[in-house]
Amino acid sequence: GEDVEQSLFLSVREGDSSVINCTYTDSSSTYLYWYKQEPGAGLQLLTYIFSNMDMKQDQRLTVLLNKKDKHLSLRIADTQTGDSAIYFCAESLRDYKLSFGAGTTVTVRA
Amino acid sequence: ETGVTQTPRHLVMGMTNKKSLKCEQHLGHNAMYWYKQSAKKPLELMFVYNFKEQTENNSVPSRFSPECPNSSHLFLHLHTLQPEDSALYLCASSQDRLSGNTIYFGEGSWLTVV
Repeated sequence: GEDVEQSLFLSVREGDSSVINCTYTDSSSTYLYWYKQEPGAGLQLLTYIFSNMDMKQDQRLTVLLNKKDKHLSLRIADTQTGDSAIYFCAESLRDYKLSFGAGTTVTVRA
Repeated sequence: ETGVTQTPRHLVMGMTNKKSLKCEQHLGHNAMYWYKQSAKKPLELMFVYNFKEQTENNSVPSRFSPECPNSSHLFLHLHTLQPEDSALYLCASSQDRLSGNTIYFGEGSWLTVV
């Protein structure tokens, strides 16, 4: 089964905030990541958070980490049409491996 | 520009063909990876190279053959593929296998097997 779970779809109105949620299973994960994939493109590292942090903010992006519940979220403020993409949550496993979720397709509507 | 360049971006090949995917990273990293992304499935790690040595083969069929001649280049040689091998193949790199795991991806090579 999958170690990282995400909801598959999110529809949001332009200008609103988007919140993408993710749960993971490996409590020893040191880093947790958010990647963005636009249509026809590869994965772009958006942001990451170290496991000893609760929150990280980077411009319009806010990452929240709840280690107790193994829950990670990505909030995008003032969502724009260019934010339409698939967003992947990933956890770092032992050494260098990453385990990815199936991705959340975010659709921004006018 | 992510620092990881993959060619070709699109490839259509027959089941009897032999082709190769190429990846080059300009980040000075020492670990390189091949991932497979199929529709509606999580990313699958295929191979890992660390300092040019293969450290991971994730039960990948032998019709996929990786090659890492140096830390900057990674190839995936393809032969006698099946239609179900059609997918996006992503190359990635990181500083090394123990450096905190920030992995940078290329744009991917879209492979269609006919």
